[in-house]
Amino acid sequence: NAGVMQNPRHLVRRRGQEARLRCSPMKGHSHVYWYRQLPEEGLKFMVYLQKENIIDESGMPKERFSAEFPKEGPSILRIQQVVRGDSAAYFCASSPGLSYEQYFGPGTRLTVT
Amino acid sequence: ILNVEQSPQSLHVQEGDSTNFTCSFPSSNFYALHWYRWETAKSPEALFVMTLNGDEKKKGRISATLNTKEGYSYLYIKGSQPEDSATYLCAFKGPGNQFYFGTGTSLTVIP
Repeated sequence: NAGVMQNPRHLVRRRGQEARLRCSPMKGHSHVYWYRQLPEEGLKFMVYLQKENIIDESGMPKERFSAEFPKEGPSILRIQQVVRGDSAAYFCASSPGLSYEQYFGPGTRLTVT
Repeated sequence: ILNVEQSPQSLHVQEGDSTNFTCSFPSSNFYALHWYRWETAKSPEALFVMTLNGDEKKKGRISATLNTKEGYSYLYIKGSQPEDSATYLCAFKGPGNQFYFGTGTSLTVIP
């Protein structure tokens, strides 16, 4: 049973470009969380999704950021018109239910130049 | 904004020593507390999910206790080994959907 997969592992974008981060949850998991880790800070909740639904996006900036978890395929975190402050590690985690333990992917390290 | 505090921030112990660290969280509206171990260059890995006041969980040499009335959880490691070196994270969940992570305790076990 493969773990949570994230790709790419490293992503470099210039200011103003778009970043697309992908997360494939563990088999059988329908709950996905995205977290952001800024340098020298802890994991900060961004968004919680179930298949085809955004359940809670209260941790996500209202502009330029969006997330989806389609019926087929991975969950996508999309950042439009990236700025230097978006440089961070983005982790996704999946679980079989809301209060269950979360299984984390290896993260995508986004660098905006 | 909800605060989850972990202390100490970092810790160095000798191999064989026992150690413990603390996670403090709001004492109201508690739903769950998670502990994770995060080794360098790896992903956070779940250790314990705790939901009831007075819960005690154990996995090998690692154990955890939970006091929801006063808002703290302790993680204990008995007879620390070099492979225990990692950052230990706790995450609090209230009635909403979010998990609030502490910044972690970085443990280094010196052989």
